[in-house]
This record gives sequence, C-alpha cells and structure tokens, in this order.
Amino acid sequence: EAGVVQSPRYKIIEKKQPVAFWCNPISGHNTLYWYRQNLGQGPELLIRYENEEAVDDSQLPKDRFSAERLKGVDSTLKIQPAELGDSAVYLCASSLGAPTQYFGPGTRLTVL
Amino acid sequence: TQLLEQSPQFLSIQEGENLTVYCNSSSVFSSLQWYRQEPGEGPVLLVTVVTGGEVKKLKRLTFQFGDARKDSSLHITAAQPGDTGLYLCAAEMDSSYKLIFGSGTRLLVRP
Repeated sequence: EAGVVQSPRYKIIEKKQPVAFWCNPISGHNTLYWYRQNLGQGPELLIRYENEEAVDDSQLPKDRFSAERLKGVDSTLKIQPAELGDSAVYLCASSLGAPTQYFGPGTRLTVL
Repeated sequence: TQLLEQSPQFLSIQEGENLTVYCNSSSVFSSLQWYRQEPGEGPVLLVTVVTGGEVKKLKRLTFQFGDARKDSSLHITAAQPGDTGLYLCAAEMDSSYKLIFGSGTRLLVRP
C-alpha cells in the first residue's frame, strides 16, 4: 500500500515569490493534516481537514497561507508571498478515524 | 509556551549502551505517541500509549506512560547505529486527534 505522497521534495525560491505544495494521502484516509517543522523542532499543525472541510485552521497564517482539499482527497498548501521565515519542512499526514497519523516525506522549502 | 518538554535534546552514545529519553508536561494527555524521524523523511510511529502506568515493548525499545498520564519515557537497550534519529513524543490532549509534538531528542549511536 502506498504511503502519503508529497511533491516536490525540495523547493528553493526567492522571497515574495509564491509556492505550492501537493499531498496525496493514503487511500481511504478521511483526515489530512499539514504541519510545518522548523529546524531542530517538532512538527506544528497548520491545518486539519475532515474530508473536504477544514476543521482546524487556527494555526494557519491566513494572510499569506491558503490550503484546499477539493473532493476530499488530494490537498495543496500555498504560500503567497513567501518570506524568509517560511523556510522549513512542510509535512503532510493522514489518518482514518484514529489519533495515529501517517506522515509523508515532506517538502523542504528554502526561501532566499 | 512549550507544552511538551523532551530531554535530553541531544544524546551521543556508543553502540551497546542503554539510554532513556523523557517527555514531560504539566497537562494530562488522552494518549501519547512516540515517533522516530530520520533525515529527509517524515516521522514514523513507534507506539501509542493510552492507559496511565502502561508499559509497551517493541524489541529493544520500552515505552512507559506515567501513572498520571502527564509524562512518558522511552528506554533503548543495547543501542545500535540503526537507532540513530530524532525521537519525537506527541500528545493528544483532548481526544480531538490533534497532536502536540515535543521538540525531540536527537540520538546518535556511534559504531
């Protein structure tokens, strides 16, 4: 069974540019999470979806970050415009009605 | 405010040694999970503990959940280089499936 797929794996952009990350969760998992992991830290939740509904986006910086999960499967996370402090690893995870989450490999973003 | 404190932050040991890492909070958890993360990869779940005082074993790894469900420990016996990685604890505070992660313990096992 395929795990959580994320792309791209790496992205380098200049500040003020837009960037988007894509996530395909494990088949059948209704809950999808986006996390940000800064260097030397644990992941911090940005947004959680139950099917296509964002049920917790309290930690998402809404002035520049947006996310969508059309049709309740794949999801994209966008940053526009990116700032230097956005450099981090962006992790996607999915789960099926349980606290156990399965993580993808992440996208490492570097903002210059 | 860091809800979950992990210690030590970094640990470098020789192959064959034993070690214990800790995860502490002033809050009560519904459940607690331990993950291991290797460079360039996402965290991988090792174990979930739910009941206060619970002890779970996974080969050479022993996980304990505190009686009051506010703390947990991970003990590794006879560490091997393959155990090298970032060990993260994550707590579910209110049965909402929302996880709060600690900052991790980075373990290096030298051959």
